Amino acid sequence: EPEVTQTPSHQVTQMGQEVILRCVPISNHLYFYWYRQILGQKVEFLVSFYNNEISEKSEIFDDQFSVERPDGSNFTLKIRSTKLEDSAMYFCASSGPGLVPADEQFFGPGTRLTVL
Amino acid sequence: QKEVEQNSGPLSVPEGAIASLNCTYSDRVSQSFFWYRQYSGKSPELIMSIYSNGDKEDGRFTAQLNKASQYVSLLIRDSQPSDSATYLCAVMGYNQGGKLIFGQGTELSVKP
Repeated sequence: EPEVTQTPSHQVTQMGQEVILRCVPISNHLYFYWYRQILGQKVEFLVSFYNNEISEKSEIFDDQFSVERPDGSNFTLKIRSTKLEDSAMYFCASSGPGLVPADEQFFGPGTRLTVL
Repeated sequence: QKEVEQNSGPLSVPEGAIASLNCTYSDRVSQSFFWYRQYSGKSPELIMSIYSNGDKEDGRFTAQLNKASQYVSLLIRDSQPSDSATYLCAVMGYNQGGKLIFGQGTELSVKP
């Protein structure tokens, strides 16, 4: 069964450093998402991406964050200058191949980001 | 602020019983509704989606939607210890790029 994959599973970084989290969505999906979950808190939407551009982003997704689909399979989230409060589990999700994003979203296993 | 509310629990039921999980949402134009299961330290796993009023059954799971009351529920029949997890209600609004708004989750414990 196709699944979303994410690498690395755990990333430790120093405050102020840049990190790139990587995701391979399900191959025929068209919509891609990043969410995060701070320990003990709700899953929070960060950004959605369709047709090589951002469809929607949350207030959390400020200028420190960017997303990219560098090739036909990968989808990345970059945090330019990490802060302590960026420590969380980051989930990639994908949906499609319908023409509207109302389809079910399937989540990857997550990357645990720890900022020291 | 669009909200999705769930009782945090824990909800404890004996093995074989029916577990009932509830969710309310504030945005009246929400169009798609999802239940996810999340085991501790793992990612959300989709259980069911529901888009129109009424009931939708899939195996031991039944989702119920009442848009007039802005209420979604999930029933788990014949609960098993392996169903012990946190159940997340997620709501997708209209024309919001697929953004899911999650509730805080209800922790379910099924006792053997």
